[in-house]
Amino acid sequence: RKEVEQDPGPFNVPEGATVAFNCTYSNSASQSFFWYRQDCRKEPKLLMSVYSSGNEDGRFTAQLNRASQYISLLIRDSKLSDSATYLCVVEGSGGSNYKLTFGKGTLLTVNP
Amino acid sequence: EAGVTQFPSHSVIEKGQTVTLRCDPISGHDNLYWYRRVMGKEIKFLLHFVKESKQDESGMPNNRFLAERTGGTYSTLKVQPAELEDSGVYFCASSLPTWGDETQYFGPGTRLLVL
Repeated sequence: RKEVEQDPGPFNVPEGATVAFNCTYSNSASQSFFWYRQDCRKEPKLLMSVYSSGNEDGRFTAQLNRASQYISLLIRDSKLSDSATYLCVVEGSGGSNYKLTFGKGTLLTVNP
Repeated sequence: EAGVTQFPSHSVIEKGQTVTLRCDPISGHDNLYWYRRVMGKEIKFLLHFVKESKQDESGMPNNRFLAERTGGTYSTLKVQPAELEDSGVYFCASSLPTWGDETQYFGPGTRLLVL
């Protein structure tokens, strides 16, 4: 079983749509959780951290369920500029506090 | 403020040759990481430096890979001899010391192609 598994995608949605990404992780000892965004042929960039209490940043909402080892990202009112690959990332598995473990990513294309 | 920089941006070499990748972290970032993405796979951790010390090198694939960070500033990752399966994108990331923001900031990557 992969350490971090994401929806394989790709997702194609019209502008204004709401889109949800799901992710599960295998190591219950994992400590921190993130969503990164990666544009084509660019580096990953932190989109937001994910907390058990849930957190919201504008149109983006992230949730963590530690009991289910499940992470989600919701994008509301999607824009063309949201087109990118979304990476579910877990930190602190495998005995290292700083090691990031990435999912394979889900490609989102927002169409006009 | 300058971000993480990596050199070269691209490298095409033949199997058996040696390649050295360089990473310059953000100034003041004690933590430096190397990651790699091979085609069709997820980004994977290679190793972690704290200043000049290797904190965790559990992700290094084999002894053909050697990472150094002399003086605790920039880092190099040398692959010798390169094999076909080493092709991929090598990312470097850096973060502040433990007491600071632990966000890892990634460089643009070096695209390595071994023929």
